[in-house]
Amino acid sequence: KAGVTQTPRYLIKTRGQQVTLSCSPISGHRSVSWYQQTPGQGLQFLFEYFSETQRNKGNFPGRFSGRQFSNSRSEMNVSTLELGDSALYLCASRVAGGFNEQFFGPGTRLTVL
Amino acid sequence: TQLLEQSPQFLSIQEGENLTVYCNSSSVFSSLQWYRQEPGEGPVLLVTVVTGGEVKKLKRLTFQFGDARKDSSLHITAAQPGDTGLYLCAGGETSGSRLTFGEGTQLTVNP
Repeated sequence: KAGVTQTPRYLIKTRGQQVTLSCSPISGHRSVSWYQQTPGQGLQFLFEYFSETQRNKGNFPGRFSGRQFSNSRSEMNVSTLELGDSALYLCASRVAGGFNEQFFGPGTRLTVL
Repeated sequence: TQLLEQSPQFLSIQEGENLTVYCNSSSVFSSLQWYRQEPGEGPVLLVTVVTGGEVKKLKRLTFQFGDARKDSSLHITAAQPGDTGLYLCAGGETSGSRLTFGEGTQLTVNP
């Protein structure tokens, strides 16, 4: 079974721009979560999507948004980029139910200049 | 807000030594997971513990969940250079996918 895939792997943007990141979950996984990882804050939960609906949201500003498509693929968007948005953005998928065992993709490394 | 504290933050040891990493919280979690992350990659799930007092073994790795489900430990026996990486503990909520992560323990095993 193929793992979680994320595209692109690396991205460089400038302040004020917007960016869209993509995630394809493991086949059969309907839940997709996004996390931001930075050296100072560690891994922080952004949001979770299940069956095209946002089910849970972390403590991030409204500039961070996401969506999920009918095939469970998900995208997250960050508008009006700030220098502090530079981070590794990780997507994780899981099957419904169970004990929240999540399977992470390799991440997208976003650098904001 | 639920928080998980990991210790130590950094650990550098010689091949063959034993080590223990701790993960503590004032909150109760429905599950506790340990992940290992290598540079440039996403975290890889090592184990999930769900029952207070539970002990799981994975080859040279032993994971324990505290009786009150607030803390956990990871013990590695006879560490090898291949064990080098960032070890993360994460607490799961009863519902939803939100995981609360500890800050991580950067382990370096020197040959």
